[in-house]
This record gives sequence, C-alpha cells and structure tokens, in this order.
Amino acid sequence: QQPVQSPQAVILREGEDAVINCSSSKALYSVHWYRQKHGEAPVFLMILLKGGEQKGHEKISASFNEKKQQSSLYLTASQLSYSGTYFCGTASFGSARQLTFGSGTQLTVLP
Amino acid sequence: NAGVTQTPKFQVLKTGQSMTLQCAQDMNHEYMSWYRQDPGMGLRLIHYSVGAGITDQGEVPNGYNVSRSTTEDFPLRLLSAAPSQTSVYFCASSSLTGTYGYTFGSGTRLTVV
Repeated sequence: QQPVQSPQAVILREGEDAVINCSSSKALYSVHWYRQKHGEAPVFLMILLKGGEQKGHEKISASFNEKKQQSSLYLTASQLSYSGTYFCGTASFGSARQLTFGSGTQLTVLP
Repeated sequence: NAGVTQTPKFQVLKTGQSMTLQCAQDMNHEYMSWYRQDPGMGLRLIHYSVGAGITDQGEVPNGYNVSRSTTEDFPLRLLSAAPSQTSVYFCASSSLTGTYGYTFGSGTRLTVV
C-alpha cells in the first residue's frame, strides 16, 4: 500500500523552512527520500533505517518514527535549488529492497 | 560515467505494437527494478530482480515482461502496447543492502496512440 505524503504542495520564499511528512500503514524497515526536478530522474537524498538515528546533510535532514511508521523531511533555510518534487519510498519487512513510493510533494521556492 | 543507462529516451507506439526498453548499469548492483510514473501517482513498481536469472512481479506487472540474463542488463518488454501504458518509465538499481539508495536512469517517455 502506497505511503501517504503531506502536504501535496508547498510554496516557500527563499530562506524559509519546510517539513514534508510520509506515513505508512505497514511496519517499516526503511524510508528513503528522493528529489525529482521537472523532466529529470529522481535523485537519492537519504535513507533512514529501523533503529537508526536521524540523518541529514547541510540543511536537509529527516527523522523516522518507527512506532508510528512515519518519517519527516526537514528543509531549513530553503534555497532556490531545493525546488522540485519530493518522494518518500518505504520498504517493509520481508521486502526490504522493494520501495513503494508516495505520490510526492511539490516544493516551490521563490526568490 | 558510472550509472544507469536507459534507451530510448522517447518512443511513440501504435496500439498492439511491441517493444523493448533497455536498461544497463555499470555499478555491479544486484538489485534492479522498473517503475512507471504517471501524473499524481508517484512511481509504481512493475518488475524487479535481485540478481541474474531471478525476477519477480511488482505492483503493476500486467502487460510487461522482464528477463535478467546478466548483472548489467534488465530489459522491459511491452508485449502488446495499449494507451494505458502511456507513461514515463524509470529503471533503477541498488546494492542488495540498499543502504546507498536507488540510482535511477534518465527515463523513457512512452506514448501509445
């Protein structure tokens, strides 16, 4: 079953913060986050594993609440280059390599 | 450059025609998969493979066949194209542990008329 992402779309000004949520009805082994720019392939951002700690690099980080089967992606002090569609991909136990993707969150950063 | 190579980038087919979408990776990844992307629906898994000679169905396998004769190649065959198969197709690969995420190819935009 497809994870649910929220919000579906968000518009920010440069320098503002955003949070994108991903929720699953299944017990999760891992959560992946990807960013896709228009007309391009999705690009891997980070992975969060069950029992792992919050991951991040620079101003993009994420958390994984195993009990609630939820993950959140945090974008702080957003830049124009952050614009794109963000997808979470979830893997459940027994199929740890197969990712089921959410429908995406379209993020637009304005100058 | 290391990565996943998909061909062709664009294709127009007539209903009932068959074709093969090619996918090759040079990262020695064991796991390869095919997704289709439709507006508002994210990426849906068609077929996947955990190694040469091993394939399995994903969420939306009907109308598609795959084979994996080598570690590098994972072609996707459309048996008899239908307008409902109009979509953007992505091939992706990863190590079996998956801890470094998927690497996606640049995609094939397919239109069936």
